[in-house]
Amino acid sequence: QKEVEQDPGPLSVPEGAIVSLNCTYSNSAFQYFMWYRQYSRKGPELLMYTYSSGNKEDGRFTAQVDKSSKYISLFIRDSQPSDSATYLCAMTPAGSARQLTFGSGTQLTVLP
Amino acid sequence: DGGITQSPKYLFRKEGQNVTLSCEQNLNHDAMYWYRQDPGQGLRLIYYSQIVNDFQKGDIAEGYSVSREKKESFPLTVTSAQKNPTAFYLCASSQPGGDTQYFGPGTRLTVL
Repeated sequence: QKEVEQDPGPLSVPEGAIVSLNCTYSNSAFQYFMWYRQYSRKGPELLMYTYSSGNKEDGRFTAQVDKSSKYISLFIRDSQPSDSATYLCAMTPAGSARQLTFGSGTQLTVLP
Repeated sequence: DGGITQSPKYLFRKEGQNVTLSCEQNLNHDAMYWYRQDPGQGLRLIYYSQIVNDFQKGDIAEGYSVSREKKESFPLTVTSAQKNPTAFYLCASSQPGGDTQYFGPGTRLTVL
């Protein structure tokens, strides 16, 4: 079993829809949680960063962490065609970029 | 502008040839990483380096080699011993004590 599980999709939604992307994990030592966005044939870019449990909002994006359930989510409101990309979750124990563990990514397409 | 550059963007190689992928960063980060990305498999760590003149094997190091002679540079050589080298290669870096990684734009290697 992988330490981080992520549904690969693909996921297609109409423009304006609310998108929910999720990851589950098994290592209770993970404390820092990230979402990366990767456009086709590009490198991943850091999108959201959260510490421990709770929510963090940035514009149309909300990251949610539930450590008791070992479950993290990324919500995209009012989705746009420009949001079409692969979204990777990543997580690590405290202060350790070396131990960053990635999900396999969910491919999202937002249809105009 | 600070960032990570990878060159070339596309690379073609004949079977049996070694090829070197370039990665340069001007973020003053100590740690650098090489990943391989295949469709549906997420990111797999090839090598990483925490400091100049030191590097460690990742999960899939066989058929690859690296060097770290300068803080800014971490080139990856794909040798003829790598049985299935066609993939998208990503370089990343992180700052000391940091808990996230920053990625370059990637190199697409195709073996003909």
